[in-house]
Parts: sequence; C-alpha cells; structure tokens
Amino acid sequence: SQQGEEDPQALSIQEGENATMNCSYKTSINNLQWYRQNSGRGLVHLILIRSNEREKHSGRLRVTLDTSKKSSSLLITASRAADTASYFCATGGDYKLSFGAGTTVTVRA
Amino acid sequence: SQTIHQWPATLVQPVGSPLSLECTVEGTSNPNLYWYRQAAGRGLQLLFYSVGIGQISSEVPQNLSASRPQDRQFILSSKKLLLSDSGFYLCAWSVKGATTEAFFGQGTRLTVV
Repeated sequence: SQQGEEDPQALSIQEGENATMNCSYKTSINNLQWYRQNSGRGLVHLILIRSNEREKHSGRLRVTLDTSKKSSSLLITASRAADTASYFCATGGDYKLSFGAGTTVTVRA
Repeated sequence: SQTIHQWPATLVQPVGSPLSLECTVEGTSNPNLYWYRQAAGRGLQLLFYSVGIGQISSEVPQNLSASRPQDRQFILSSKKLLLSDSGFYLCAWSVKGATTEAFFGQGTRLTVV
C-alpha cells in the first residue's frame, strides 16, 4: 500500500520560479526520501532525510521533515526546464520503500 | 561502480501468454532487490522484494511471481498474463540493512493485448 501522498498532484511554474510540493505519510518512519522520474524512465534518488533531522539541503533542493505532523516538503529553487519531471516521496521502513502517487512538475520556458 | 540492468525496455504480449522480466545488478553483493509496478500517471506499487537468494516477499497477491536464482538476479514472471498486468515495471536495489537509497533500472513498459 502507498504510504506517502504528495500534494499537489500537478504543478506548472515559470522558469526561475520556486516549486514546492508536500508529502504526508501515515506511520512511523526511519527516513523519508525524494525521487525524480523523467517521463518513461526509472526513478532517480534526490535526497534522504532521517527521522531525527528537520531540514536538509542539496544544491537547489531543500527538504523539510515534521515527524509530529507526519509531513515533508520539497522545495526546488530557481527552477529550470530540466526540472520538468514527476517527483515522489518514499518512506523507509525495514527493507522496503513505500512511494506516493507523485507530483508532476512542468517548468515553462 | 554499481549498475542495474533491466530488460526488455518494451514488451507487447497477448493475454494468456507467459512473462519473464529480468533484472541484474553489477558492482555490489547481497543487495536488497525490488520489483515495482507503476500504472499510467500513478505512483509505484511494491510487488516483491528479496533480501537474499531464494527469499521472496510478496506485497500484493496477484497473477505474478518473482524469483532470485542468483545473488544479483531478480526475475518477475507470470504463467498467464491478464490485461490488468499492463504497466511500467521497475526493478530496484538497495544496500543491505535499514532502508536507504534505492537505485532503479530504466523500466519495462508491458502492454498486454
């Protein structure tokens, strides 16, 4: 079953703008991860945040985690056309990852 | 460096035909292995995972089965495909232990006609 749920389902922004998407989950986690999927391809890992961390940065990506609210957010700053993709959160437990339905981001030139 | 190979990239099969999708990992040993299915415009559904040779856990009872005959080989099979088996199948691996980053293959687009 899917653990994480992303919001919004779709997002369209202008190049240079920031994109923010959220993820909510239901049960306790060891970590939360964000992945990107370009159309028709496999997923690529972006960033992992552990349950005892609150914020993490990687390049133009900023992830926050609020375990009390069971939610996370992914911020992409200064978006580029190449950021057009679907973004998924995944919650990690023993052995396996459970993915949400994803947010489709379209960056307009 | 580690790589994951998944084939074929696309497959069109008639209803009732058998299926065999193969996934192999290079550059690591004793990985956790996963099969996911993604319906069009949807998230990933975990089908099977394996923590070792011959050890398969099924997440969703359905018309599919998985096997791990070798440490770095993971096979998804069906004896008789259904229309509902159509989808995008993804193989992935992760380092043994608590869940960490997963590395995905490029996927197989299966269309059952």
